[in-house]
Amino acid sequence: DTGVSQDPRHKITKRGQNVTFRCDPISEHNRLYWYRQTLGQGPEFLTYFQNEAQLEKSRLLSDRFSAERPKGSFSTLEIQRTEQGDSAMYLCASSRRGSQTEAFFGQGTRLTVV
Amino acid sequence: GQNIDQPTEMTATEGAIVQINCTYQTSGFNGLFWYQQHAGEAPTFLSYNVLDGLEEKGRFSSFLSRSKGYSYLLLKELQMKDSASYLCAVTKVDNFNKFYFGSGTKLNVKP
Repeated sequence: DTGVSQDPRHKITKRGQNVTFRCDPISEHNRLYWYRQTLGQGPEFLTYFQNEAQLEKSRLLSDRFSAERPKGSFSTLEIQRTEQGDSAMYLCASSRRGSQTEAFFGQGTRLTVV
Repeated sequence: GQNIDQPTEMTATEGAIVQINCTYQTSGFNGLFWYQQHAGEAPTFLSYNVLDGLEEKGRFSSFLSRSKGYSYLLLKELQMKDSASYLCAVTKVDNFNKFYFGSGTKLNVKP
């Protein structure tokens, strides 16, 4: 078990470009979450998957954002037509099913839109 | 959203004890988590409280009062490596363990 891994760790892109991030959760975890974190703030919830089903999306997730978890294992988060306001750390977390289980976070992908 | 408040920054001395407070206002409260986050790294789990009282794990303890909407994280025998941000997060009943995080408390440990 190598924990939650995210790729890439850093991404610099020009405004208007599309970017895609990948998250590989801990293998036996069926819950997967995406969060966004800006400097000096706590992570904000973006979306949640239980297995392959996307069960909730935050209103923070505009139409330019899409997430998938096609086989209930890894997940991707795509941002289309990036804007400078999208610059942030994108964190993925996974957990076992249950109401009292901690989530394990990946190292995050730091996105800078120039 | 949920109102989760923590002090922005605290400073303490190596070897001392520090208490980081967190207050929250939320309906359907389920539990409260504390995470540690070093700069540029992933948050790592420290503790979890669902019932009132104190949970102790080595140098770290966390307290919860559900009636007061209040929690604290107590760090004993501070070490330099404890310099980090400490995030308080609440979960709600039947909300698939989605975390609502506070803004975090940056702890500076000085020699």
